[in-house]
Amino acid sequence: QVQMKETGPGLVQRTQTLSVTCTVSGFSLASYGVHWVRQAPGKGLEWMGVIWGDGNTNYNSALRSRLIISRDTSKSQVFLTMNSLQTDDTAVYHCATGSFWYVVDGWGQGTSVTVSS
Amino acid sequence: DIQMTQSPVSLSASLEEIVTVTCKASQDIDSYLSWYQQKPGKSPQLLIYDATNLAAGVPSRFSGSRSGTQFSLKISRPQVDDSGIYYCLQSYSTPWTFGGGTRLE
Repeated sequence: QVQMKETGPGLVQRTQTLSVTCTVSGFSLASYGVHWVRQAPGKGLEWMGVIWGDGNTNYNSALRSRLIISRDTSKSQVFLTMNSLQTDDTAVYHCATGSFWYVVDGWGQGTSVTVSS
Repeated sequence: DIQMTQSPVSLSASLEEIVTVTCKASQDIDSYLSWYQQKPGKSPQLLIYDATNLAAGVPSRFSGSRSGTQFSLKISRPQVDDSGIYYCLQSYSTPWTFGGGTRLE
């Protein structure tokens, strides 16, 4: 059974760096990709990026300059690191995976991050 | 980047009608289109993948179709529990992109 859980700082100061960890179980990070999706309050879903089973990454064009997705396969953890935070980065951050590479069908509950000015 | 234009933004439905939500891709995405339902405070749930395939455990009143670069999600005789926000997602090429969402009441 696939399980994913995000842990984050809750509150981050503007201009600082955000670090969120996604801990997974029920599958191997070496075999399946993990995506990051965020949702600002009252807004829609925004795909942020992915780290594939082979370790390659792809990013949202608007976030590429600030975002790094990495992993530790031995610990079954995926990391989201985003710098130069602004107040509009306030959102719930989800990690997610898929049974096939082209779909997302397993989600974490999300972790809320507030960027304080 | 591929743009996904979703419509309508919101709609309300009665229990007897067929509800249709549409997503139009800015370019060919083959059938790499999935639909998600999100309820308040919850993570999205997969409904449809490959444009037309029903995800496991999803009621058969949900269906998906494709006509070129236009994709539709239909809900036949929607139930009260179907209220929520629906999103499409293209996975043809990175960066993946979501539609803007449709609120169903």
